[in-house]
Amino acid sequence: GAVVSQHPSRVICKSGTSVKIECRSLDFQATTMFWYRQFPKQSLMLMATSNEGSKATYEQGVEKDKFLINHASLTLSTLTVTSAHPEDSSFYICSARGSQGYTEAFFGQGTRLTVV
Amino acid sequence: TQLLEQSPQFLSIQEGENLTVYCNSSSVFSSLQWYRQEPGEGPVLLVTVVTGGEVKKLKRLTFQFGDARKDSSLHITAAQPGDTGLYLCAGAPNAGKSTFGDGTTLTVKP
Repeated sequence: GAVVSQHPSRVICKSGTSVKIECRSLDFQATTMFWYRQFPKQSLMLMATSNEGSKATYEQGVEKDKFLINHASLTLSTLTVTSAHPEDSSFYICSARGSQGYTEAFFGQGTRLTVV
Repeated sequence: TQLLEQSPQFLSIQEGENLTVYCNSSSVFSSLQWYRQEPGEGPVLLVTVVTGGEVKKLKRLTFQFGDARKDSSLHITAAQPGDTGLYLCAGAPNAGKSTFGDGTTLTVKP
């Protein structure tokens, strides 16, 4: 399958600071990228969908000013958690999908964020 | 309302036993995917089923897509401890955003 690289895999930050997570598709062009949040032993909760060159579409209840998503190129999307708080601690996962209508998505390794 | 209902939510079995995980919906999907996720890692794609009634085999794993393309199942034969993980079904109605089932946490005891 296609390779999606997510970085960093783990990050610890102080409350009030911002953290940027990168998601790269290494061997294909990702027209659409998805960002998920996952709590322990639970499924993935979609936070937002981003298409290259356009603004991200956020799911209901997700603060767009807190979770900034940029999809500036066909191989890179970033999620910035701004003014992080302990309740933002979670496992964040990105996935990338290729051409329009292609439903398979490939996932990054995930980022474990801990806000102290 | 969850678009994809996955069952059971938790499953703990002994090595060598067989098991089936179900993924059901009232919506029609053009395709469904099954993923397996280990703790601290992202989900890994196992298979995509596309055609109604399709059956795909991946070693001891058998995947089936319902005739009406509203449901799918994953059957594992002679489960091994290495099969332990979170199994997720996912689909994207009308090639839109992917939606996931709640997941099945499988534990296979030696």
